[in-house]
Amino acid sequence: AQTVTQSQPEMSVQEAETVTLSCTYDTSESNYYLFWYKQPPSRQMILVIRQEAYKQQNATENRFSVNFQKAAKSFSLKISDSQLGDTAMYFCAFIPNNAGNMLTFGGGTRLMVKP
Amino acid sequence: EAQVTQNPRYLITVTGKKLTVTCSQNMNHEYMSWYRQDPGLGLRQIYYSMNVEVTDKGDVPEGYKVSRKEKRNFPLILESPSPNQTSLYFCASSLNTVTEAFFGQGTRLTVV
Repeated sequence: AQTVTQSQPEMSVQEAETVTLSCTYDTSESNYYLFWYKQPPSRQMILVIRQEAYKQQNATENRFSVNFQKAAKSFSLKISDSQLGDTAMYFCAFIPNNAGNMLTFGGGTRLMVKP
Repeated sequence: EAQVTQNPRYLITVTGKKLTVTCSQNMNHEYMSWYRQDPGLGLRQIYYSMNVEVTDKGDVPEGYKVSRKEKRNFPLILESPSPNQTSLYFCASSLNTVTEAFFGQGTRLTVV
C-alpha cells in the first residue's frame, strides 16, 4: 500500500517571499504520478502541478515548481513570489501507473500568506 | 463548462436515516471516485468506479454504498448514517487513472 506524508501541518510566509512545502511517499511501484492540489477556503480542489516519475526534469507551472527526488521518495512544492491568493490547504497526492486505483493523499499543509 | 456537480452541498441528518449524495460529471470520464476529508488525514478514498457497473472499494468503504448505472452519475449512499461519518465528501472524475482528477465542490455532512 502507498502512503503519503506531509510533515508540516501549518506554514506561513510573507507576501512576495518563497516557501517550500514538503511531501514524502512510500511505494514499491516504479512508475507513478505525483500531484499537488490546492484547496482554498471555497473548498474547491484545484490541481497545481503534476509530475511523472519517469521524467527526471522537475515540473514547473508559473510560480509553482517541484523538487522531485525519486530515490529519496520526496516531492516538495516551491511557491515563489507568494501571493495572498495562495493561502490554502495544499495536498500532495500519489497514483501508481496501473489500472484500477485512484489518488492517495497526504494529510495536507495549511499555508497562510501574510501581507 | 466541464464540471463535476455534487448535491447537496450541506446536509444535516440524524443517525440511521438513509441518505444519498448525488454526483454527476459532463466530461464523459471513465473513472469516478468518492473521498472523505477529515482534519489531519487528508482525503481518503471510499469507493471508485472504472466504468458503468464496475465499482471497487477504496480505503474506507465501511458504511457506504455506491452504484454506477450510467457513465455520468455516481451516487454515494449511506444506508444507516452514524456520527463518525460526519465529514466533508468529494466526488471526483478523470479520463483515466493518471490524468487530472476533477473534483466536485464538496458536501459537508453532519450526522447527529
